[in-house]
Amino acid sequence: NFMLTQPHSVSESPGKTVTISCTRNSGNIASNSVQWYQQRPGSSPTTVIYEDKQRPSGVPDRFSASIDSSSNSASLSISGLKTEDEADYYCQSYDTNNHWVFGGGTKLTVL
Amino acid sequence: QITLKESGPTLVKPTQTLTLTCTFSGFSLSTSGVGVGWIRQPPGKALEWLALIYWDDDKRYSPSLRNRLTITKDTSKNKVVLTMTNMDPVDTATYYCAHVLCYDNNAYYHEYVQQWGQGTLVTVSS
Repeated sequence: NFMLTQPHSVSESPGKTVTISCTRNSGNIASNSVQWYQQRPGSSPTTVIYEDKQRPSGVPDRFSASIDSSSNSASLSISGLKTEDEADYYCQSYDTNNHWVFGGGTKLTVL
Repeated sequence: QITLKESGPTLVKPTQTLTLTCTFSGFSLSTSGVGVGWIRQPPGKALEWLALIYWDDDKRYSPSLRNRLTITKDTSKNKVVLTMTNMDPVDTATYYCAHVLCYDNNAYYHEYVQQWGQGTLVTVSS
């Protein structure tokens, strides 16, 4: 099976834009959709992106995502950072057998 | 409004079998394109997918845990049950169930979590 690698942590100032990467080590990143989940401290995860770049209703358009086949990676960008965006972010995809794979998570600090 | 709630023991002994129940409302697991999944998270660690059951009773398991897991559904009671055998202290984690949407778009198949449960912490210790 494949792995999804994320940076352990990122930090940025309020109002700025941050990008979190998620690199697939084997197989084509574009072959199965990528999801992104936000998990605030002490809370359950919530879905912020599905199907590579779609936002569920209620997720602000400050959240955006993309796929880059040249680097075989997905990216989540958050613009206009707010302190409430401070959380762990996980990417997730699946293989051809619908076995899910999660990335190791990225801790976003808004300082 | 979709809600899911996990229930089960908070403490199990090594080698015992864990049985967790996900009780949900706001959707039916007999509806095409719907699934319920289980995901766990050891303290301070990443999310790990465990299993998924679909509206048509198809099932998927994590390859690394397949031999220990069983997922079943009771559509009439809006419940999904996950059993995990031969529990070990490394299985200590918060276990989440989740409502999963499955669909085709532009000739590609997709599935994702639409709603997560609150999670239940299971500790494995003698």
